[in-house]
Amino acid sequence: DTGVSQDPRHKITKRGQNVTFRCDPISEHNRLYWYRQTLGQGPEFLTYFQNEAQLEKSRLLSDRFSAERPKGSFSTLEIQRTEQGDSAMYLCASSYGAEAFFGQGTRLTVV
Amino acid sequence: KQEVTQIPAALSVPEGENLVLNCSFTDSAIYNLQWFRQDPGKGLTSLLLIQSSQREQTSGRLNASLDKSSGRSTLYIAASQPGDSATYLCAVPNTGNQFYFGTGTSLTVIP
Repeated sequence: DTGVSQDPRHKITKRGQNVTFRCDPISEHNRLYWYRQTLGQGPEFLTYFQNEAQLEKSRLLSDRFSAERPKGSFSTLEIQRTEQGDSAMYLCASSYGAEAFFGQGTRLTVV
Repeated sequence: KQEVTQIPAALSVPEGENLVLNCSFTDSAIYNLQWFRQDPGKGLTSLLLIQSSQREQTSGRLNASLDKSSGRSTLYIAASQPGDSATYLCAVPNTGNQFYFGTGTSLTVIP
């Protein structure tokens, strides 16, 4: 197992298009998190899953954002009708105990 | 809401110097604190996790300390190397598994 995997690594999209990102957590990890990071800032929490249940969502997660974790394995984050303000690094993390492990992120650029 | 502050925002040191990065948090009722490293355009790499019951945690040239009562943690890097150049982030989880991050300290080690 090579850690948390995110796909794609980079995505350029036109404003108004929908995009979907995928995260494959470390295999035995039951907790999965999505964060968003803009330049010069620390990551900001978006949402949290325990197994397949989405237990927490940030107010940052507008109705254009939706996340799923079917079967408690991989997760997807979809952004509908993208806006330029959605341009950021989207980070996924997973954990089993207290320590969280992050993926390499998906860099989204909305043009 | 937990607020995490990291000082300094940027630090430049000559190779071989020992250095200290600071992290402070407003709510001392924490379960643990985690230090991460982030290279430009990349995800986060976990460096050290300190449980709330611990005062120190060491990994190689890194030593992290935690003082819950004063709301502070420090990351000590011994004998710095150019490869240590990166942004260092501290993160504190809340009871709901949401991590609060500081904005990081950008470290440059000059050969």
